[in-house]
Amino acid sequence: GAGVSQSPSNKVTEKGKDVELRCDPISGHTALYWYRQSLGQGLEFLIYFQGNSAPDKSGLPSDRFSAERTGGSVSTLTIQRTQQEDSAVYLCASSFPRTGGGYTFGSGTRLTVV
Amino acid sequence: AQRVTQPEKLLSVFKGAPVELKCNYSYSGSPELFWYVQYSRQRLQLLLRHISRESIKGFTADLNKGETSFHLKKPFAQEEDSAMYYCALADSWGKLQFGAGTQVVVTP
Repeated sequence: GAGVSQSPSNKVTEKGKDVELRCDPISGHTALYWYRQSLGQGLEFLIYFQGNSAPDKSGLPSDRFSAERTGGSVSTLTIQRTQQEDSAVYLCASSFPRTGGGYTFGSGTRLTVV
Repeated sequence: AQRVTQPEKLLSVFKGAPVELKCNYSYSGSPELFWYVQYSRQRLQLLLRHISRESIKGFTADLNKGETSFHLKKPFAQEEDSAMYYCALADSWGKLQFGAGTQVVVTP
């Protein structure tokens, strides 16, 4: 596609429910990243996929968070048993490998846990 | 440890005045530094990277390894420069660590 696509753009969920956020990277971009943007916390790294290598999950805040990337393309970030502190904008970005930080970002999914 | 510091949360300047956004970093390797910008209701986008040594929208940033800084500058601010600016550092795998961001408000 022309850009990084994320869905849904907005999600309101009840505390305790599970949510899935989707990211469709730019075709040919083998590197994919998830970040979280929240007030007072800035941009927080969550997870990084690069080709067929094991993902770097070092930024996931708890075991309620998980992500997968199928076929080296689409990625899904899953949050189980959502809490109010999970409310944030979840951003996905993709790049060619080793472009050294020159990412293209999606427009994000705004998650609100009520 | 890798760290990016943007000391100013908010920078308010008048149109036509110079603007400088501060960014300091700590990194044990050879740093690759970036400035990203997020305009209101738009997605985060790359503004410039130190390796390119380019000027984008009148902005420049010079990497100073001695002072471990990568400040963003523009000699004459415009109203359309009002946005959130993030300094970021890439590790050897290309993973970015962002600073907390600086909100720039340019008033006429």
